[in-house]
Amino acid sequence: LAKTTQPISMDSYEGQEVNITCSHNNIATNDYITWYQQFPSQGPRFIIQGYKTKVTNEVASLFIPADRKSSTLSLPRVSLSDTAVYYCLVGPYTGFQKLVFGTGTRLLVSP
Amino acid sequence: ETGVTQTPRHLVMGMTNKKSLKCEQHLGHNAMYWYKQSAKKPLELMFVYNFKEQTENNSVPSRFSPECPNSSHLFLHLHTLQPEDSALYLCASSRSGQGDEQFFGPGTRLTVL
Repeated sequence: LAKTTQPISMDSYEGQEVNITCSHNNIATNDYITWYQQFPSQGPRFIIQGYKTKVTNEVASLFIPADRKSSTLSLPRVSLSDTAVYYCLVGPYTGFQKLVFGTGTRLLVSP
Repeated sequence: ETGVTQTPRHLVMGMTNKKSLKCEQHLGHNAMYWYKQSAKKPLELMFVYNFKEQTENNSVPSRFSPECPNSSHLFLHLHTLQPEDSALYLCASSRSGQGDEQFFGPGTRLTVL
């Protein structure tokens, strides 16, 4: 399984755009990149998933370069409620090969 | 609400007790998971069931015993636990494989005295 590396923590202010980068140098051809958000004492929540180029939904964008060895989760105009831990996961879409959540990135948004 | 419910939300038990955690999903998913999250640690996948069949058991001690009677229900039976088993236990479900969007329940906060 592809190992991922993310910053341990990031700080931002309300209204700013936040970009969290995840490195996954040994990503496999059939691996997808998925991001989850987790608030304290709650289960993670799916944010976005992509395979290549750019994916956008109502809450975030995911940028994946051509070599797919990294990806960037972009949160536009963050608010205090975006303070959470963000996990980058890399693995195949099907099967159950023990997708690993890792330690994630703790984002703190201040007023 | 994610469509995945867990009961109880909080549980305190002694090391000699036997208790069970329950998870139910109303999403029509085929796969269900148990995760453990200890304080300030990443989520650890414990068990995976796909179409009621266990597909993964990640070296979990036998004092944790899962049961999946149907695709909508998942149990985690607990007996003779240790204090280090105190954690947040999360249930999740997905339509198919683990790479598919997983929907998590609110978790059960377990304290072992």
